[in-house]
Amino acid sequence: EADIYQTPRYLVIGTGKKITLECSQTMGHDKMYWYQQDPGMELHLIHYSYGVNSTEKGDLSSESTVSRIRTEHFPLTLESARPSHTSQYLCASRSGTYNEQFFGPGTRLTVL
Amino acid sequence: DQQVKQNSPSLSVQEGRISILNCDYTNSMFDYFLWYKKYPAEGPTFLISISSIKDKNEDGRFTVFLNKSAKHLSLHIVPSQPGDSAVYFCAASAKNSGNTPLVFGKGTRLSVIA
Repeated sequence: EADIYQTPRYLVIGTGKKITLECSQTMGHDKMYWYQQDPGMELHLIHYSYGVNSTEKGDLSSESTVSRIRTEHFPLTLESARPSHTSQYLCASRSGTYNEQFFGPGTRLTVL
Repeated sequence: DQQVKQNSPSLSVQEGRISILNCDYTNSMFDYFLWYKKYPAEGPTFLISISSIKDKNEDGRFTVFLNKSAKHLSLHIVPSQPGDSAVYFCAASAKNSGNTPLVFGKGTRLSVIA
């Protein structure tokens, strides 16, 4: 059973608001990831981290930022939300090359 | 350039029959492959994996076949059930990739018709 959590599960906010999507894992994994997925579409990697104090941008350009101050916590922040940010945001973690990657349940964000 | 390709965006199968989902890759350094299943509004869940030292891995109704020479893998689900209706993602990684993230295909939507 994967121990990776995301809050909130659903969020509806107005344009211009600052939001933080939370992601935590209790498995001690060094590698953590954020993906964005529109309904029925492919997974787009937007940020990842190898460990504490390491963050990298993914394949898809994103206006969001991330931080990794603790191993178990990898929050994603949007400084000023726009309707184009409406999507599902998925957090994941992994321990090594030959191990599966665990996904959280996702946050469905709607920006009005 | 897409390194992991799932060329069929969708597949429909009758309940009880076999579902075969295909995945092709271009990077010969890939040596570990995974399949994930995703329902709407949920995160993907891990189904089954295979390393390049094997050509088959089986777990209950799910079997993954790897053809390294063709750079092709497939997921077989038999018998298919309505609850299998979901989007299936193929993913790959390389032993010497260090911290490089998994490379995912675009997914195939499977519909199992009762």
